[in-house]
Amino acid sequence: QITLKESGPTLVKPTQTLTLTCTFSGFSLSTDEMGVGWIRQPPGKALEWLAVTFWDDDKRHSPSLKSRLTITKYTSKNQVVLTMTNMDPVDTATYYCVQSRTVSGTTRFDHWGQGTLVTVSS
Amino acid sequence: QSVLTQPPSVSGAPGQRVTISCTGTNSNIGAGYDVHWYQQLPGTAPKLVIYGDNSRPSGVPDRFSGSKSGTAASLAITGLQAEDEGSYYCQSFDHSLSAWVFGGGTKVTAL
Repeated sequence: QITLKESGPTLVKPTQTLTLTCTFSGFSLSTDEMGVGWIRQPPGKALEWLAVTFWDDDKRHSPSLKSRLTITKYTSKNQVVLTMTNMDPVDTATYYCVQSRTVSGTTRFDHWGQGTLVTVSS
Repeated sequence: QSVLTQPPSVSGAPGQRVTISCTGTNSNIGAGYDVHWYQQLPGTAPKLVIYGDNSRPSGVPDRFSGSKSGTAASLAITGLQAEDEGSYYCQSFDHSLSAWVFGGGTKVTAL
């Protein structure tokens, strides 16, 4: 059974750096085709992909947020950490950790964590 | 403004067939990238219901089906049930943006 769980602050101040940790079980990030990523959803709005790290050490970040994002994997600990700098109120959203699978060159998001609501406010 | 375009809402009577469209461009769906669909029930995380244009993960009822043609894809729910009410999102890859992209979401209501 694959599970993912997000942890981190629920409230951050503008200009601060957000650090979120995803702790997962049921698969290994050293297994072919596997990846772990982050997707967010502002209240009442659509999903937005942020970043993903793969089994082969490849990492991708959303081009629109690339300068603010860092994704790091700790394979032996089954954890992936996302940092986002210079937080703004528009970054208020539920942040989801997701397990991805890449088959024949296409990546899909198979399993999702429950999500964590992060509010940016002074 | 989402890269993939979906209707904001669709509705149908229980037992009816409803379809949700997802329109892209030659940089994403039209370039041949697979389309995946996610169901988000109220207050819950999204769940994958269709992958690779038309395949269902284990445990997803066969009343859910997907198709793709040209720069568009669609999700059909045959025999709509009250438990299907929620929002549905399409997702693909855009090579011009070098990003995985989502549609704006469609809210499905069983009348």
